Amino acid sequence: NAGVTQTPKFQVLKTGQSMTLQCAQDMNHEYMSWYRQDPGMGLRLIHYSVGAGITDQGEVPNGYNVSRSTTEDFPLRLLSAAPSQTSVYFCASSYAGLAGGRADTQYFGPGTRLTVL
Amino acid sequence: TQLLEQSPQFLSIQEGENLTVYCNSSSVFSSLQWYRQEPGEGPVLLVTVVTGGEVKKLKRLTFQFGDARKDSSLHITAAQPGDTGLYLCAGARGATNKLIFGTGTLLAVQP
Repeated sequence: NAGVTQTPKFQVLKTGQSMTLQCAQDMNHEYMSWYRQDPGMGLRLIHYSVGAGITDQGEVPNGYNVSRSTTEDFPLRLLSAAPSQTSVYFCASSYAGLAGGRADTQYFGPGTRLTVL
Repeated sequence: TQLLEQSPQFLSIQEGENLTVYCNSSSVFSSLQWYRQEPGEGPVLLVTVVTGGEVKKLKRLTFQFGDARKDSSLHITAAQPGDTGLYLCAGARGATNKLIFGTGTLLAVQP
């Protein structure tokens, strides 16, 4: 199993450009999430999905769109890139949400480092 | 609003020393996880604690969940250079798998 894969690893955009960050998992996980990581702030949830066709907003959703047409893929779209979106983006997946009151293990991809000029 | 505060933010110690990292909140969590992240990689789960007062050991790492399920600590005994990394706590609230991550503690263990 490849686990969670993300492409590209690095990307530089100009302000106003749009792009899609790709995320795929081959573990048949229902839950998938997108986080951004900024220095001193840990990871912040952007959007998440509890299954194909179902998405919801996280903590910092503005400027980002997601869709989940298949169980395997969960792309993140930046509509009009801004310098404030310069960050490292992580995709994660898990088999279930809460199981017996405990959060399931989240498996993270290697990240995409995005710079917006 | 950062619901989970970690301290210290940075820690540089010598091999063989002991250390404790704290994860504090004013909110109650149904479970709390600790992840370790190495440079250029995604976080990897170390442990999940669920019950207030629960203590779990993973070799030289000891994790404790506070009695009120609002805080947690990670204690490392006789730290090794391989323990170097960013340690993140993450709390689960509600009925979904939405995790709130802490601010992180960057640990450097010098040989």
